[in-house]
Amino acid sequence: DGGITQSPKYLFRKEGQNVTLSCEQNLNHDAMYWYRQDPGQGLRLIYYSQIVNDFQKGDIAEGYSVSREKKESFPLTVTSAQKNPTAFYLCASSIQEATLNTEAFFGQGTRLTVV
Amino acid sequence: SQQGEEDPQALSIQEGENATMNCSYKTSINNLQWYRQNSGRGLVHLILIRSNEREKHSGRLRVTLDTSKKSSSLLITASRAADTASYFCATDATYNTDKLIFGTGTRLQVFP
Repeated sequence: DGGITQSPKYLFRKEGQNVTLSCEQNLNHDAMYWYRQDPGQGLRLIYYSQIVNDFQKGDIAEGYSVSREKKESFPLTVTSAQKNPTAFYLCASSIQEATLNTEAFFGQGTRLTVV
Repeated sequence: SQQGEEDPQALSIQEGENATMNCSYKTSINNLQWYRQNSGRGLVHLILIRSNEREKHSGRLRVTLDTSKKSSSLLITASRAADTASYFCATDATYNTDKLIFGTGTRLQVFP
C-alpha cells in the first residue's frame, strides 16, 4: 500500500527536551511538508522540501528543525527553543510539477503534548 | 501567514440540505484546492481547480472559482451526517509555487 506514515500518533515531551517526529512516504513524491495545527485553527506551514538535501522555512520555523537525507523521509525535530510546542503536527507530500502543485497526501498526524 | 480565509467558521445543517462554504485568498494563484479533515485526523484531498477554470464538479461537490474576486466556494449537495468534518481551502501562489498554504477552515456539522 502506498501512503504517508507519521509516528508516533501521540507524543509527550518534558519541558526543555528535544523530540523528533517521523514522516515517511513511499509515494515517490519529491515535495514534503510539515504543518502545525492548533485547536480549532487552520494549518500553518513549518518547513517544506522540494528535493533531497534541500528544505526551506515556512511561516513558523522558529524552534523547529528538519532534515531531508532521503526522498522518503522528512523528520521534524521540535527543539527546546519552541516555547509553545503543544499542537497537532501534520506531514504531507506531493508530486512537484514544474509550476503547478498537485494534491497533497497527508499522514494521520502526531499529537504532541508538553508535560 | 495564511493565504485563505474560510467563511463561515462554523455551519450546522440538517441532512439533505446543501452546505456552502466560501474561501477568500490574497495573491494570484495557479490553483486552489479543497480538503476535508475529520476530527483528529489527517486531511483528505477533495478537489483541485486551476486558475483558468471557473467551475468543477465531483460527485456531490461543486467548486467555483472567481479569480477577479480572489474567492472560491464549495457546495456540498444533499448533505449526509458523514459529511460532518472541517473543510479547508488551500492555494499555491504564482510568486512561489513551492508552498501550499491553507485557510482557517469551516467546521460543518450535519444533523441526522
